[in-house]
Amino acid sequence: DAGITQSPRHKVTETGTPVTLRCHQTENHRYMYWYRQDPGHGLRLIHYSYGVKDTDKGEVSDGYSVSRSKTEDFLLTLESATSSQTSVYFCAISDRKQGAGYGYTFGSGTRLTVV
Amino acid sequence: SQQGEEDPQALSIQEGENATMNCSYKTSINNLQWYRQNSGRGLVHLILIRSNEREKHSGRLRVTLDTSKKSSSLLITASRAADTASYFCATGNTGTASKLTFGTGTRLQVML
Repeated sequence: DAGITQSPRHKVTETGTPVTLRCHQTENHRYMYWYRQDPGHGLRLIHYSYGVKDTDKGEVSDGYSVSRSKTEDFLLTLESATSSQTSVYFCAISDRKQGAGYGYTFGSGTRLTVV
Repeated sequence: SQQGEEDPQALSIQEGENATMNCSYKTSINNLQWYRQNSGRGLVHLILIRSNEREKHSGRLRVTLDTSKKSSSLLITASRAADTASYFCATGNTGTASKLTFGTGTRLQVML
């Protein structure tokens, strides 16, 4: 999607290894979000950021950490991957709280498989 | 837990028919949004309705909001095969500052 890029697009990793997913935006938006999508659960918020070095937890933050050292990059780290973290991960950006302007813009997702 | 719950979970219609999806939520909101997701892709923002609005239109989309019933509906008129996708409602809740909470989605299939 224009203005937001997630990497990698696909990853297979072993249980117990650390994994970092990257979200990069060129829109200079203040707000960035990490969601995971699983069948039957829809999208659930992991962590979000409301500015450089300003982050907060979402509803499913256990086992995940984030960092935002620059406006354009929001990193999601699985400290020690578990099979329950197999999922599709989406990054989203917004220039206003709660997407109040034009909604969120989503990346194309990262499909992570933990074996 | 999910704030928004869509109904039905799945919907199959013929091209040219109208499709209606409903969303119920639990707490007070600032706004409610609808998104579409094509298979294997990210979500795309469709329309936003604020808590003080009752109805909004965008092309073939019509959204209604009833805050007294804590519910919203999305109507797609004259559906096309290209409308086949999953549709999600998302709520911006009062007091939660920056984030949206998404529902579990309705899978719409439009058949030729």
